[in-house]
Amino acid sequence: EVHLVESGGGLVQPGRSLRLSCTTSGFTFGDYAMTWVRQAPGRGLEWVSFIRSKDYGGTPEYAASVRGRFTISRDDSKSIAYLQMNSLKTEDTAIYYCTRRGIYLDYWGQGTLVTVSS
Amino acid sequence: DIQMTQSPSSLSASVGGRVTITCRASQDISNYLAWYQQKPGRVPKLMIYAASTLQSGVPSRFSGSGSGTDFTLTISSLQSEDVATYYCQRYNGAPLTFGGGTKVEIK
Repeated sequence: EVHLVESGGGLVQPGRSLRLSCTTSGFTFGDYAMTWVRQAPGRGLEWVSFIRSKDYGGTPEYAASVRGRFTISRDDSKSIAYLQMNSLKTEDTAIYYCTRRGIYLDYWGQGTLVTVSS
Repeated sequence: DIQMTQSPSSLSASVGGRVTITCRASQDISNYLAWYQQKPGRVPKLMIYAASTLQSGVPSRFSGSGSGTDFTLTISSLQSEDVATYYCQRYNGAPLTFGGGTKVEIK
């Protein structure tokens, strides 16, 4: 059974950094792109970033709102995806979901809440 | 960037009634369109991909249609457990844009 579990969220001050992790099991992690999606309180879904599988170059893509501040990475040996978030802003406050694939998103984690506030 | 516009933003229908949600892309996206269901307080769930392919386990009362710029999600007979917000999402390249969502309630 496919499982994705996010961790690393919490309360952080504006301008600081946070790293989210997505620990996966139940599938061959290296065969899939991985995507982060966020949802601000009471708002809709917003795509943040994805990273392609090594077979497709392992390259990332970012939403304009986070480009230059966030970095996605993956460790295929540990089946974990990461999202390094720097220079955080109050508008980054959201639940961050880890999802499988870089096209339609077929499996989702439960999400981790990131609150950016002074 | 390609914009995805959903309509209506909310609707209410009777149990057993037919529900239709529309998603319009600002450019041709072929059939690279997915639909998600998010029940209150829950994680989004993939319902349909490739515009009309039902994800495994999704009830057959759900269906999707369309190609190019205009797409539709239909619930043929609304059930109480279908109360949720529904999102469309394009995936023909980055960014993977979501529509603004349609909240479905029971009348």
